[in-house]
Amino acid sequence: GAVVSQHPSWVICKSGTSVKIECRSLDFQATTMFWYRQFPKQSLMLMATSNEGSKATYEQGVEKDKFLINHASLTLSTLTVTSAHPEDSSFYICSARSSGYDTEAFFGQGTRLTVV
Amino acid sequence: AQSVTQPDIHITVSEGASLELRCNYSYGATPYLFWYVQSPGQGLQLLLKYFSGDTLVQGIKGFEAEFKRSQSSFNLRKPSVHWSDAAEYFCAVGEAGNTPLVFGKGTRLSVIA
Repeated sequence: GAVVSQHPSWVICKSGTSVKIECRSLDFQATTMFWYRQFPKQSLMLMATSNEGSKATYEQGVEKDKFLINHASLTLSTLTVTSAHPEDSSFYICSARSSGYDTEAFFGQGTRLTVV
Repeated sequence: AQSVTQPDIHITVSEGASLELRCNYSYGATPYLFWYVQSPGQGLQLLLKYFSGDTLVQGIKGFEAEFKRSQSSFNLRKPSVHWSDAAEYFCAVGEAGNTPLVFGKGTRLSVIA
């Protein structure tokens, strides 16, 4: 199956700083990637849909100025948490689907963000 | 709108016992259905998926799931649970193309000796 690589797997940052999370499709082109957020012991909540070469589409209630998404190439999408605060601490997971794989969704390993 | 219901938040089974995790979905057309497993602090691993065809789907690690359109269900089963199966299990529904999956709230499986 296809591989989606997410980096870093964990990060600790100070309040007020920004953190960038990368999501790469290693062996297929992903025109669309998805960013999810998962709180402890909860399900995955879709934050935004990342479209290559265009603006991301954010779900209701997600601050687009806080969670900046860039999808500059067919294999890379980035999520930048700007001016991070402790309440942004969470597990972030990216996903991509490929028509070449029966539309299966592939997930990155996730990034554990802790803001102190 | 699509939605997924996993009625059981937490299930505990004895090692070697059979397992069934329930999943009900709401979707207007024929859905694409998935089961994922997540170990603590890890990403998601696909167990199995259903798009069309045979309604009984075999997956990895000895899991299977049956699509029942009349009941809008896609329950996950395993005849004999191993201690290593303890994890969080998510049912998800989607549609064709580059659209996101919608996840259920998950079922946490504990396995006791």
